[in-house]
Amino acid sequence: DTAVSQTPKYLVTQMGNDKSIKCEQNLGHDTMYWYKQDSKKFLKIMFSYNNKELIINETVPNRFSPKSPDKAHLNLHINSLELGDSAVYFCASSPTAGNTEAFFGQGTRLTVV
Amino acid sequence: GENVEQHPSTLSVQEGDSAVIKCTYSDSASNYFPWYKQELGKGPQLIIDIRSNVGEKKDQRIAVTLNKTAKHFSLHITETQPEDSAVYFCAARNNAGNMLTFGGGTRLMVKP
Repeated sequence: DTAVSQTPKYLVTQMGNDKSIKCEQNLGHDTMYWYKQDSKKFLKIMFSYNNKELIINETVPNRFSPKSPDKAHLNLHINSLELGDSAVYFCASSPTAGNTEAFFGQGTRLTVV
Repeated sequence: GENVEQHPSTLSVQEGDSAVIKCTYSDSASNYFPWYKQELGKGPQLIIDIRSNVGEKKDQRIAVTLNKTAKHFSLHITETQPEDSAVYFCAARNNAGNMLTFGGGTRLMVKP
């Protein structure tokens, strides 16, 4: 009965590889997000989707490509991974794009070696 | 865009004492201010939130105050317990309602 679930929880990969992180929410929410948390715990938004449509892209390199096949899923594909991409990536969802609570997944710890 | 500053970055208190974490925001149009608790290895979880039409909100040992004029909001935890130890984040939602900007986080340690 997990509300926002991400897979995998841990991902270790070499520089230059391409990898994907999947996210699904079973809350019936319209809006989903990807956040990046760096080693100093700073949480920064990367993307926001509302009903499968991109509404925010916070100057993220185009090596990062989100895909939303339906409003319950928002996957993150990363091409040509770099050392600086190492971080914890959180998926989140909220009922609408308005002033409502955001629910976070457990996070995916990505380590690029 | 919105900028949220959070202080202190670390806070150590004795069990039973109170803890206060403060945040300031830059966009006067922001109107929703949640607080999240992040335990080790987990995602942030909402613990309390406040909207701009309210000055204070309380839920058991946790309270949040908002001063819109000064663009300040604060989290107050009373009678702290060791299980309150975690990283706490404040956030502000922009006027369009489509983005949360987070503060830098406060690592709270409650010593038994």
